[in-house]
Amino acid sequence: DTEVTQTPKHLVMGMTNKKSLKCEQHMGHRAMYWYKQKAKKPPELMFVYSYEKLSINESVPSRFSPECPNSSLLNLHLHALQPEDSALYLCASSQESGGFYEQYFGPGTRLTVT
Amino acid sequence: ILNVEQSPQSLHVQEGDSTNFTCSFPSSNFYALHWYRWETAKSPEALFVMTLNGDEKKKGRISATLNTKEGYSYLYIKGSQPEDSATYLCASKTSYDKVIFGPGTSLSVIP
Repeated sequence: DTEVTQTPKHLVMGMTNKKSLKCEQHMGHRAMYWYKQKAKKPPELMFVYSYEKLSINESVPSRFSPECPNSSLLNLHLHALQPEDSALYLCASSQESGGFYEQYFGPGTRLTVT
Repeated sequence: ILNVEQSPQSLHVQEGDSTNFTCSFPSSNFYALHWYRWETAKSPEALFVMTLNGDEKKKGRISATLNTKEGYSYLYIKGSQPEDSATYLCASKTSYDKVIFGPGTSLSVIP
């Protein structure tokens, strides 16, 4: 199974809502990533987890809160978002972190903040 | 070069044509260079991870070369087919745990 799944596919939320994005992989990968992608721009790294520990936070605002409950699951908790946070949120995993291994991407969650 | 750059931004070719595009990346502190294909409404798919200067990799009709001294990689597609239409992203690993993506080259293959 070489699939990374993400739920939900689409999410519309108000600025006062709290919601979560979920990502799952069963490839035994020890690194998992969250990216944000705005239209016509490359994916922008947000967080890296390595062996279930947060190893990189790219100065992401605290209204985004990642969580890695186990080696297969990665969540992104959202609270008090702004309209400019509307984007495609991609999850990825790789065998190890460090950039020497290809990343497997999920299909993304299209988030709209109203 | 401080960022990862790709050229051209977009490309339209006829079915059967061969094509190539460029990824430029910082040559200092180079660790690895990734290529991904991203079709509309699908997930980005890894094509290659390259680490050694002079590396050449091939997958079917797609191949890539790497020059780490001058900081560029070429992706070649031989005999383009409509199903090759996608955005091709390169990403450079320049520090621990992190890859930086280029803006992509959007390829359209006209039947």
